[in-house]
Amino acid sequence: GIQVEQSPPDLILQEGANSTLRCNFSDSVNNLQWFHQNPWGQLINLFYIPSGTKQNGRLSATTVATERYSLLYISSSQTTDSGVYFCAVEQGTSGTYKYIFGTGTRLKVLA
Amino acid sequence: DAGVIQSPRHEVTEMGQEVTLRCKPISGHDYLFWYRQTMMRGLELLIYFNNNVPIDDSGMPEDRFSAKMPNASFSTLKIQPSEPRDSAVYFCASSFAGAPYDEQYFGPGTRLTVT
Repeated sequence: GIQVEQSPPDLILQEGANSTLRCNFSDSVNNLQWFHQNPWGQLINLFYIPSGTKQNGRLSATTVATERYSLLYISSSQTTDSGVYFCAVEQGTSGTYKYIFGTGTRLKVLA
Repeated sequence: DAGVIQSPRHEVTEMGQEVTLRCKPISGHDYLFWYRQTMMRGLELLIYFNNNVPIDDSGMPEDRFSAKMPNASFSTLKIQPSEPRDSAVYFCASSFAGAPYDEQYFGPGTRLTVT
């Protein structure tokens, strides 16, 4: 089956620094999403981005579907950015979907 | 809006018992998703509904799991009988969009412990 790998697995930043998180997938996909899970467990859907680039404030994401990767950029990081970032990909057609999450990147932003 | 509401927030039960998790989506949302998160398996999509109809349940682990959505404001995920390996955090999410996964809003989760 499809493999979804995220890197780095862990990341520690000083507040104000920029970072790039990567999601590689081993096969073609229908769509890709990025999620943030804060230290209290709350999940937030950041981007739905099967291809191209999207921006939302200090966050942006780029997916290059032909090369099977997606990047999540965090600029001017804040302590509230801490948590785990997941990418998830979908394959297949209705009734045969596979929806696979990566193992996540654990980010800690220090004040 | 109060957001997606899940109940109970914590559930501890004994192996073999029936467990029912509940979810109230955001009013007006027409997609509802159930996810499970464990240390071993990470995050998994179990099933999702569109306009109260189950669209894809290929992530449901086995027949002990069932999900229903009797109306637009309520969904249940039932495990019968429960087993210790079902221990996990179960999330419900809802969305309203042309694409089903766009801008999902998650509930706080139900932490299930099966002893």
